[in-house]
Amino acid sequence: ILNVEQSPQSLHVQEGDSTNFTCSFPSSNFYALHWYRWETAKSPEALFVMTLNGDEKKKGRISATLNTKEGYSYLYIKGSQPEDSATYLCAFCGTSYGKLTFGQGTILTVHP
Amino acid sequence: NAGVTQTPKFQVLKTGQSMTLQCAQDMNHEYMSWYRQDPGMGLRLIHYSVGAGITDQGEVPNGYNVSRSTTEDFPLRLLSAAPSQTSVYFCASSFRDTRMNTEAFFGQGTRLTVV
Repeated sequence: ILNVEQSPQSLHVQEGDSTNFTCSFPSSNFYALHWYRWETAKSPEALFVMTLNGDEKKKGRISATLNTKEGYSYLYIKGSQPEDSATYLCAFCGTSYGKLTFGQGTILTVHP
Repeated sequence: NAGVTQTPKFQVLKTGQSMTLQCAQDMNHEYMSWYRQDPGMGLRLIHYSVGAGITDQGEVPNGYNVSRSTTEDFPLRLLSAAPSQTSVYFCASSFRDTRMNTEAFFGQGTRLTVV
């Protein structure tokens, strides 16, 4: 069983704060690393799919970096807003069949 | 564009009953999968399929069966429901790619309670 760890498990920040969280994954047999945003009562939606060491992706105030050699990815949110409150999931793909192994998620709550 | 459609949204079963969770996608995705979501455990892979006629086990396959007779449909069958199968189930699909660098699309989820 692959070990995909996310930290912290939960995070409370004030509106306007910038924040970041971590996804750790096996550094061998790397194919891709996904980030998903999951709002309560909805389905997970993709934020980023990252495939190359050193990748940096950005979507609005959210960005992510990837280090495949050491097996970690960071997700950053700049100027958090209450609507950013959600669970953020990372998922590791380490085989050619494309199985995604998910971390347990980081629950972000942004207080007005 | 419907995307990934799961039915039902909610279901209550008695221990020992069987049922099928339906999943259909209209994006011509080769890859489909079923996950269960339990508190504190993230999404765990139950079964997956890389194309019609091909299925394989994921991390937690016991008590579940799948089949993939068409590209569009990937039903999940609970053979004899147990309270431990109380969970939220998600179906997902994506284009099959050897680097899986295409995102997965998720259905709305099925909340199953086994009493």
